[in-house]
Amino acid sequence: DGGITQSPKYLFRKEGQNVTLSCEQNLNHDAMYWYRQDPGQGLRLIYYSQIVNDFQKGDIAEGYSVSREKKESFPLTVTSAQKNPTAFYLCASSIEGADGNTEAFFGQGTRLTVV
Amino acid sequence: GQQVMQIPQYQHVQEGEDFTTYCNSSTTLSNIQWYKQRPGGHPVFLIQLVKSGEVKKQKRLTFQFGEAKKNSSLHITATQTTDVGTYFCAGLGGSNYKLTFGKGTLLTVNP
Repeated sequence: DGGITQSPKYLFRKEGQNVTLSCEQNLNHDAMYWYRQDPGQGLRLIYYSQIVNDFQKGDIAEGYSVSREKKESFPLTVTSAQKNPTAFYLCASSIEGADGNTEAFFGQGTRLTVV
Repeated sequence: GQQVMQIPQYQHVQEGEDFTTYCNSSTTLSNIQWYKQRPGGHPVFLIQLVKSGEVKKQKRLTFQFGEAKKNSSLHITATQTTDVGTYFCAGLGGSNYKLTFGKGTLLTVNP
């Protein structure tokens, strides 16, 4: 099945530890995104990548890092510098279709809890 | 930077009433997209608007894109309990692939 996969669904970490969230897509999409969702805050953009080996900071990049070594993969590392890392993290991908459609497809999300 | 504001944050209606959520961008957009997120789920694409002044309909849902390509609205006629969820608008930047979401409107429907 084609799609975008995030793993794991739930993740627990101790404060001060770095943690990496996985995001893989087999849709052949060029663009990939990481969002953070908190209650009442909507989806806030952390990082996005338009193409392999290139990525841009979003609105809340501090305390996060990403890599885009392969088209299919866009892992997000939540570092110990992120002051409030407990949240629901959503990965998405998109491609501009022949009809100009740039629909984003989302993974199921990873709920990270830092204790 | 690009900001997308969305109001209201919450809306509770009786089944059969209409519902509207509004979206406004600080910058001109390439396109605006609308998503729906059911409780416990992830956002699912509803529609994309590209042209200035564009209006699109999906059954009871009507989507509009403003003439200046900076604002948009989603209107649901005669809401049903299946319409429950959070509706997000998302604006695509003019020169890049930055997709910025509004905070969403949580719709609850009383049967």
